[in-house]
Amino acid sequence: EPEVTQTPSHQVTQMGQEVILRCVPISNHLYFYWYRQILGQKVEFLVSFYNNEISEKSEIFDDQFSVERPDGSNFTLKIRSTKLEDSAMYFCASRTGGRTGELFFGEGSRLTVL
Amino acid sequence: GNSVTQMEGPVTLSEEAFLTINCTYTATGYPSLFWYVQYPGEGLQLLLKATKADDKGSNKGFEATYRKETTSFHLEKGSVQVSDSAVYFCALSEGGATNKLIFGTGTLLAVQP
Repeated sequence: EPEVTQTPSHQVTQMGQEVILRCVPISNHLYFYWYRQILGQKVEFLVSFYNNEISEKSEIFDDQFSVERPDGSNFTLKIRSTKLEDSAMYFCASRTGGRTGELFFGEGSRLTVL
Repeated sequence: GNSVTQMEGPVTLSEEAFLTINCTYTATGYPSLFWYVQYPGEGLQLLLKATKADDKGSNKGFEATYRKETTSFHLEKGSVQVSDSAVYFCALSEGGATNKLIFGTGTLLAVQP
């Protein structure tokens, strides 16, 4: 069964360092998303991506964040200069088209900023 | 803006007990409603969904009915198993071009043998 894969599963970094989280969405999917979940809090939308551009982003997704689909298969989230409050589980998701298309999620990448 | 509120956890039940996890929503328009489940060490998986009022989503013995009059989508299961232990997330989809999901805080269910 096709699945969304994410790497790394866990990354520890120092404050101020750049981090890239990687995702391989399901191959025939058209819409891509990043969500995050700070420990004990709700899953929050960060950004959606369609047709090689950002279609929507939340207030959380400030200039420190960027997304890219560099090669038609990977979908990356970059945090330029990490802060302590960026520590969270980051989930990638993808879906086909259609109004009610199900989002398929990866297992998440846990980011710990020290 | 649109939001989802679900009951606080953890919920601890004995095997074969009846489960209800409450979920209410606030939305303009007519969202689709979802329950996602996260088993330990795994990602979020769609458990069931309903796309319009009075629809009932069901899967693996779980059910939820889209109630527009009470803006609710409560999750129920008649007889839980230890293997149902997980975190359950209620979510709504706003539709539109992005169709992003808005999640509740999640409810941890622990089923004891």
